[in-house]
Amino acid sequence: GEDVEQSLFLSVREGDSSVINCTYTDSSSTYLYWYKQEPGAGLQLLTYIFSNMDMKQDQRLTVLLNKKDKHLSLRIADTQTGDSAIYFCAGERRGSTLGRLYFGRGTQLTVWP
Amino acid sequence: EAQVTQNPRYLITVTGKKLTVTCSQNMNHEYMSWYRQDPGLGLRQIYYSMNVEVTDKGDVPEGYKVSRKEKRNFPLILESPSPNQTSLYFCASSLSPWTSEGTQYFGPGTRLLVL
Repeated sequence: GEDVEQSLFLSVREGDSSVINCTYTDSSSTYLYWYKQEPGAGLQLLTYIFSNMDMKQDQRLTVLLNKKDKHLSLRIADTQTGDSAIYFCAGERRGSTLGRLYFGRGTQLTVWP
Repeated sequence: EAQVTQNPRYLITVTGKKLTVTCSQNMNHEYMSWYRQDPGLGLRQIYYSMNVEVTDKGDVPEGYKVSRKEKRNFPLILESPSPNQTSLYFCASSLSPWTSEGTQYFGPGTRLLVL
C-alpha cells in the first residue's frame, strides 16, 4: 500500500489560508518534510518537523503533526498566487537504508486572485 | 552559485538505444540520488550514492545503472530504454543523507520520452 497519502488538488482564494493534509504509514519515520515544486522546476524543501514535535511554525507556514493518527498538515497563511505549486509530503526512513525519502503523490495547490 | 545541473533537459529516444543523463553538483556534497516523477505517483528513488564508488538501489532500480567515479558527478545510465521509462527525472545532492541535517538540492529535471 501507499506509504504516504495526500489529496491531489486544493483550490483557495488569495488571502485565505490553505491546509494541505498528509497521512503516512511508517511509524519509524524520524523526520517528516514538506517540499514545494513550481512548474518546470525541481523540488524545494520548505520545512520539516521532527517526530517528537507537535507543531512547528516558520513565518507563514505551520506544520502540525499528530503522531497517534499519523497525520501531517501544512498550513499556509495569507496564501498568495505565488504559492500555486505542487506540495509533496515526505518521510525519511533511517536505519539500514540510510536517509531514504519516500514521497506522497503531491497536492496541486491553485490560488485564485 | 550552488547548483545541481542535469543534461540533457529534454530527450526523445527509441527503445533499446542506450542513453546517459548526466548530473553534476558544485557543492562538494557526498550524498547524491536519482528520482523519477510520474503523474499521480510522486517521486520514487531510483539509486543513491553515499560517496565516491558507493552506490545502492532505491525503490525502483530496474532498468537503470549509475556510477560515482568522482564526487561531483552521478550519471544515470539506461542501457536499453523502454517506453515505461518515459518520465521526468531528478538528480539531487546533499551534504548528508539526513535531509534534516542539510538541505537536499534538486536539479531542474530531465524529461525523457522513449518511443
